[in-house]
Amino acid sequence: AQKVTQAQTEISVVEKEDVTLDCVYETRDTTYYLFWYKQPPSGELVFLIRRNSFDEQNEISGRYSWNFQKSTSSFNFTITASQVVDSAVYFCALRTQGGSEKLVFGKGTKLTVNP
Amino acid sequence: KAGVTQTPRYLIKTRGQQVTLSCSPISGHRSVSWYQQTPGQGLQFLFEYFSETQRNKGNFPGRFSGRQFSNSRSEMNVSTLELGDSALYLCASSLVVSYTGELFFGEGSRLTVL
Repeated sequence: AQKVTQAQTEISVVEKEDVTLDCVYETRDTTYYLFWYKQPPSGELVFLIRRNSFDEQNEISGRYSWNFQKSTSSFNFTITASQVVDSAVYFCALRTQGGSEKLVFGKGTKLTVNP
Repeated sequence: KAGVTQTPRYLIKTRGQQVTLSCSPISGHRSVSWYQQTPGQGLQFLFEYFSETQRNKGNFPGRFSGRQFSNSRSEMNVSTLELGDSALYLCASSLVVSYTGELFFGEGSRLTVL
């Protein structure tokens, strides 16, 4: 069975601080995809990044960066120089090969960035 | 292009009633999936449709049903509502059924059952 754990329920930082959101996943499949989504107060989930199980390269996109380590089954997300607009709930998710659209989500981490 | 549209955005029902939620996917997207989000259980998969066929179903009772029309629009129905059905119901669409692609989510329909 697949499982995603986001141990941090809530994080509060002051603007311009760096913050890392942790994600640990479990799967027996060798081929899988990991995702991060952002959920602002409006409710919709906004796609941030996708990473497949064969690509352990870290990725940077502006202030966002992701660290994928298969050895520890982790896919952590770092926001550098956080801004108030980054306040949202962030979800890590996993989907495995098989043609299904089913995403297995973590419980989410609520990030509050204070001015 | 327009995103995923869900209607209604908010609704209040009483126990025992039934409800129908609608989802219009992004133009050209043929796959639609539904998720239930509650504070306790988080985001849970309900169903997935492609070309009017249900391809996958989550672990929900038979009171939860859905369908997809030829224009890819989808509806989900919950009958005999219970208090625990209060949740945000999110619809997501994608071009095809593929575990590799990202899903595009709507803003959800927030259901309150009294």
